[in-house]
Amino acid sequence: RKEVEQDPGPFNVPEGATVAFNCTYSNSASQSFFWYRQDCRKEPKLLMSVYSSGNEDGRFTAQLNRASQYISLLIRDSKLSDSATYLCVVKDNAGNMLTFGGGTRLMVKP
Amino acid sequence: DTAVSQTPKYLVTQMGNDKSIKCEQNLGHDTMYWYKQDSKKFLKIMFSYNNKELIINETVPNRFSPKSPDKAHLNLHINSLELGDSAVYFCASSRGQGGGQPQHFGDGTRLSIL
Repeated sequence: RKEVEQDPGPFNVPEGATVAFNCTYSNSASQSFFWYRQDCRKEPKLLMSVYSSGNEDGRFTAQLNRASQYISLLIRDSKLSDSATYLCVVKDNAGNMLTFGGGTRLMVKP
Repeated sequence: DTAVSQTPKYLVTQMGNDKSIKCEQNLGHDTMYWYKQDSKKFLKIMFSYNNKELIINETVPNRFSPKSPDKAHLNLHINSLELGDSAVYFCASSRGQGGGQPQHFGDGTRLSIL
């Protein structure tokens, strides 16, 4: 079983749609969680951290369910510019190592 | 100003050669990392240095040798390059090791072995 698992997609959605991605992690002692975004042939960039109580940043909402060991990302009112690969990232309890999921590819179409 | 910069951006070379990739960050971060992203797009940690000290050394062939002359630089030297080394190598840095410190990535070095 992979440490961080994501549906690779692609998710093809029309502009304006709401789309949600899930991610599961295997290490119950993991402490920090993030969503990164990676555009084609570019470096990963931090989209948002994920907090236990859930957090929102504009059109993006992240949630963490520790009991079930999954993280979600919800994107409302999708824009063409949201097309990218979204990487679920988990940091171990020692705080040193980031483990990346394989990414979920999103394609937003006009 | 580029926060985490890597050189070269592209590296095409033959099997058996030795090559180096350089990384510098101007963010004042203490911790730096090297990642490898293969053709299947999985990003995997290779090494991590904190204040010039090696703290993470994943299962990587010893042909790969990182060097950190100071906390703003982390270079990666690769000996006897093999076809399987073809990948994108990303350098990253973070303020510290613990807590929710996010990592900032360089724009990658695309290594192709002929």
